Amino acid sequence: ETGVTQTPRHLVMGMTNKKSLKCEQHLGHNAMYWYKQSAKKPLELMFVYSLEERVENNSVPSRFSPECPNSSHLFLHLHTLQPEDSALYLCASSQDWSGGADTQYFGPGTRLTVL
Amino acid sequence: AQKVTQAQTEISVVEKEDVTLDCVYETRDTTYYLFWYKQPPSGELVFLIRRNSFDEQNEISGRYSWNFQKSTSSFNFTITASQVVDSAVYFCALSEVGYSSASKIIFGSGTRLSIRP
Repeated sequence: ETGVTQTPRHLVMGMTNKKSLKCEQHLGHNAMYWYKQSAKKPLELMFVYSLEERVENNSVPSRFSPECPNSSHLFLHLHTLQPEDSALYLCASSQDWSGGADTQYFGPGTRLTVL
Repeated sequence: AQKVTQAQTEISVVEKEDVTLDCVYETRDTTYYLFWYKQPPSGELVFLIRRNSFDEQNEISGRYSWNFQKSTSSFNFTITASQVVDSAVYFCALSEVGYSSASKIIFGSGTRLSIRP
């Protein structure tokens, strides 16, 4: 595997379900990111991790819970989601976290549908 | 505050035509970075270019070229002799350099480019 991978690619879940999105980067980077891409909104940065520590949390509801066990893996745990949470969730990584100046490399995303 | 405007929501051209995608940004910082990404139907954002605010030299990479003008706060992207494979959504993004928790990257709303055979 090369670059940034995400699993699953598609996910359908009910509002009472608990699921997790997984991201893995094979680039030796130190920073990882979660983004939300909705149909009618610009790409929204959700979370940033640098060396496994969270450095950004952009007012994301608590029903989204990130986890970064090491610099290569990033998870997004989902529980009691709402239909408006349906979106494409993109993971990215960069060499370091320099306030966003580093080039980010993206995964293919997980298309999430909440029923 | 940061802001990135891509006024062109959709563009459709015939193959081999040249096309320019506009990007206008707002920032109070003197040090910042600008990016262009391509998002094909597969969903993955593909990095195209990064430019820092102190380097106004235009760049050419094959059929792609970028025109950075600080005087008009614009960072436009031109595809020469467009091809069907260029069809995608293109995003412009701005990042102010900083190390505080308030630093982040802002993306424009994107321009959907369709190249017709």
